[in-house]
Amino acid sequence: LAKTTQPISMDSYEGQEVNITCSHNNIATNDYITWYQQFPSQGPRFIIQGYKTKVTNEVASLFIPADRKSSTLSLPRVSLSDTAVYYCLVGDLDTGRRALTFGSGTRLQVQP
Amino acid sequence: GAVVSQHPSRVICKSGTSVKIECRSLDFQATTMFWYRQFPKKSLMLMATSNEGSKATYEQGVEKDKFLINHASLTLSTLTVTSAHPEDSSFYICSVGTGAYNEQFFGPGTRLTVL
Repeated sequence: LAKTTQPISMDSYEGQEVNITCSHNNIATNDYITWYQQFPSQGPRFIIQGYKTKVTNEVASLFIPADRKSSTLSLPRVSLSDTAVYYCLVGDLDTGRRALTFGSGTRLQVQP
Repeated sequence: GAVVSQHPSRVICKSGTSVKIECRSLDFQATTMFWYRQFPKKSLMLMATSNEGSKATYEQGVEKDKFLINHASLTLSTLTVTSAHPEDSSFYICSVGTGAYNEQFFGPGTRLTVL
């Protein structure tokens, strides 16, 4: 599985857009990029997944450049409840049947 | 997606006792479940892969005789921490992989405190 690198922490204010970038230089052709969110004392929650270009859902957007060596999770207009740890993972199509390897994640702190 | 529950949500036990944690897949028949452990302010670390009807696969460094895993049905996997010690205090999380790319569904976690 490709190794990922993320900033350890980020700070933001309510109402701002937050962009968290993840580096995955060794991503393989069949790898997808997935982001999870984890609140304290809870299990991780799936946010978004993509392969290339841009993916958007009701929660976030995921931007993936053509070389796919990085990806950016974009959270529009964050609120205090978005304070959490965000994990970027990469894996192939069958990874759902195999355990996920979590990196250190990015701890996002949203201030009022 | 799959809905996963864990019981208990938190447990406190004395050193030397055994604790059983249940992981249930409420709406998906899971042939495979995963058990993770997470220490404070750290990332999730895979402990073992639970396979329905067969032995679990443990990660390197995880003692299989200490962390007993039973996956007797497609909806239930249990993790038993035997002869628990304070260093076993941690947050234990299970997950279910539905096979959809690398999307997994996690339980709410169990906070174990060993006194």
